[in-house]
Amino acid sequence: SQQGEEDPQALSIQEGENATMNCSYKTSINNLQWYRQNSGRGLVHLILIRSNEREKHSGRLRVTLDTSKKSSSLLITASRAADTASYFCATDSGGGADGLTFGKGTHLIIQP
Amino acid sequence: GAGVSQTPSNKVTEKGKYVELRCDPISGHTALYWYRQSLGQGPEFLIYFQGTGAADDSGLPNDRFFAVRPEGSVSTLKIQRTERGDSAVYLCASSLGAYQETQYFGPGTRLLVL
Repeated sequence: SQQGEEDPQALSIQEGENATMNCSYKTSINNLQWYRQNSGRGLVHLILIRSNEREKHSGRLRVTLDTSKKSSSLLITASRAADTASYFCATDSGGGADGLTFGKGTHLIIQP
Repeated sequence: GAGVSQTPSNKVTEKGKYVELRCDPISGHTALYWYRQSLGQGPEFLIYFQGTGAADDSGLPNDRFFAVRPEGSVSTLKIQRTERGDSAVYLCASSLGAYQETQYFGPGTRLLVL
């Protein structure tokens, strides 16, 4: 079963604009991670935010976490064509010693 | 260094056949995970190894699926009597240790059961 739900399912924006994706989950978590996937193959880890953190930055990425609402958002600033991909949130409930639970993903298209 | 590798990249088989999918984790990573991803969905957890032992196999869908990691590095996912519903991309990931949360994924094996 899948815990997370990303919103929107698909997003198309112009290059240079900011892209925001949201993720909601159901159970308590130890941390939440965002991954990127190109062409339906391997996933690339983007950023991890722990349950006691509220915001984290990495380059053009900004992640927020609201444990009271069981939600997270991923902001990509100044988008580039190379950012076109599917983005997944994944939750870890067991301290790292178990599998991640992924959402269905947001497919992001950056129009040049 | 080298990332997680998976072989084959693609596998086409007939219903009822047996298949093996291989995963080579990053050297030194003790934790290894298998996931399955169907079209339009996120990956779903299958099984987790810590060293040679399967610490959590709760995601395996039924007893046709089995995985081993005999020497604590390479892992093989085995599917018996394949069914068309087994068609998916099978992803392997590894992490440094049991409590190292970041998982590094391989490119996956795309399995098609005809």
